[in-house]
Amino acid sequence: QVQMVQSGAEVKKPGASVKVSCKASGYTFTTYGISWVRQAPGQGLEWMGWISAYNGNTNYAQKLQGRVTMTTDTSTSTAYMELRSLRSDDTAVYYCARDGSIAAAGLHWGQGTLVTVSS
Amino acid sequence: DIQMTQSPSSLSASVGDRVTITCRASQGINNYLAWYQQKPGKVPKLLIYAASTLQSGVPSRFSGSGSGTDFTLTISSLQPEDVATYYCQKYNSAPREFGPGTKVDIK
Repeated sequence: QVQMVQSGAEVKKPGASVKVSCKASGYTFTTYGISWVRQAPGQGLEWMGWISAYNGNTNYAQKLQGRVTMTTDTSTSTAYMELRSLRSDDTAVYYCARDGSIAAAGLHWGQGTLVTVSS
Repeated sequence: DIQMTQSPSSLSASVGDRVTITCRASQGINNYLAWYQQKPGKVPKLLIYAASTLQSGVPSRFSGSGSGTDFTLTISSLQPEDVATYYCQKYNSAPREFGPGTKVDIK
């Protein structure tokens, strides 16, 4: 079965960077794209961007352009999301979500990674 | 960029009630619309894609309709386990914006 397993919780200081991993299993990694979505405490879902696991093409949310980088390592079937120049309002649960086989909607989600930004 | 709105932002209904949530896109997105359910403290779950196609395993009391700019999610008979926040999302092109969510609880 498809599984998306994310790295553990992180605590970072303002101005630092964080890199969250999402290890996929149960399917051919390069077949589907992966989105990154975050959710601040008590808030809604925010789409951060998408990466093609086939060729590495990316789309990022405009508000994060310049601070976010999404990559994949096909040798380990792992996707990464790096966010730089962290601020307190980046405190959130970060999710990876794999596209479905029929529609490019998030069918398989990771368990979430809490990133806390605090001085 | 296309903006997604939802109404209402929250609702309270009785068990067995028919519940309808509306999602509107600021420009046409054909039927590239998904609905998710997120229970408190849990990971979002895909309910419907392509505006009206029920994801495998989702109870048939959930249904979706619409195309272009106006979409609805209907729960035909609300159950206690349906207490959750529901989000729509466009996925025709980037950015794949989510709606702000509709919180559903039991009266």
